[in-house]
Amino acid sequence: DIQMTQSPSSVSASVGDRVTITCRASQDISNWLAWYQQKPGKAPHFLIYSASTLQSGVPSRISGSGSGTDFTLTISSLQPEDVATYYCQQAYSFPLTFGGGTKVEIK
Amino acid sequence: EVQMVQSGAEVKKPGATVKISCRVSGYTFIYYNLHWVQQVPGKGLEWMGLVDPEDGETKYAEKLQGRVTMTADTSMGIGYMELRSLRPEDTAVYYCATARIAAAGVSAFDLWGQGTMVIVSS
Repeated sequence: DIQMTQSPSSVSASVGDRVTITCRASQDISNWLAWYQQKPGKAPHFLIYSASTLQSGVPSRISGSGSGTDFTLTISSLQPEDVATYYCQQAYSFPLTFGGGTKVEIK
Repeated sequence: EVQMVQSGAEVKKPGATVKISCRVSGYTFIYYNLHWVQQVPGKGLEWMGLVDPEDGETKYAEKLQGRVTMTADTSMGIGYMELRSLRPEDTAVYYCATARIAAAGVSAFDLWGQGTMVIVSS
């Protein structure tokens, strides 16, 4: 199975700050990586696929990058509505696996 | 409206069986695999498996083999996930999800159900 490791597990930043979350795969997954945002009590929300393609309706302050084993999700200017837990997921092979999550909070 | 609507919360005793449903609307049910994802309270997401509604073919996570069955009723547009021999550690929210973007790889979930809470307790 492909292991997905996210860091940090939590981050606290001020409104307007740049926030970066990293995700590392245990083997090369090319660009087959997705990102999700999950708010408390809600289902995950699809943000990005193929490592860097924004799903329709996702604000442009959110971006993704990377390939191979190392990936990044960036929120360029943190907004209150971005408070959530973010998960990466490899879409390269079965079984599909997720990272452990990164909780983003406002300082 | 494109949506996936799941059945309501369940409380079960250890050793029992639970069957959760997921009704889809707004897209052609047989075109896309139906997946199930588990989330233990306070923990992350874990893929459980999928069913291909078109032919009923399934693929399950190894740890669930023998305890889970995923099916699809194409006439009603409903998917089901049955989990047997329930244990307290199966207490979780269970989500159905589907992956409709071919360019996203094997499966990246662009549509999710609202989740179904299952509590396993004596």
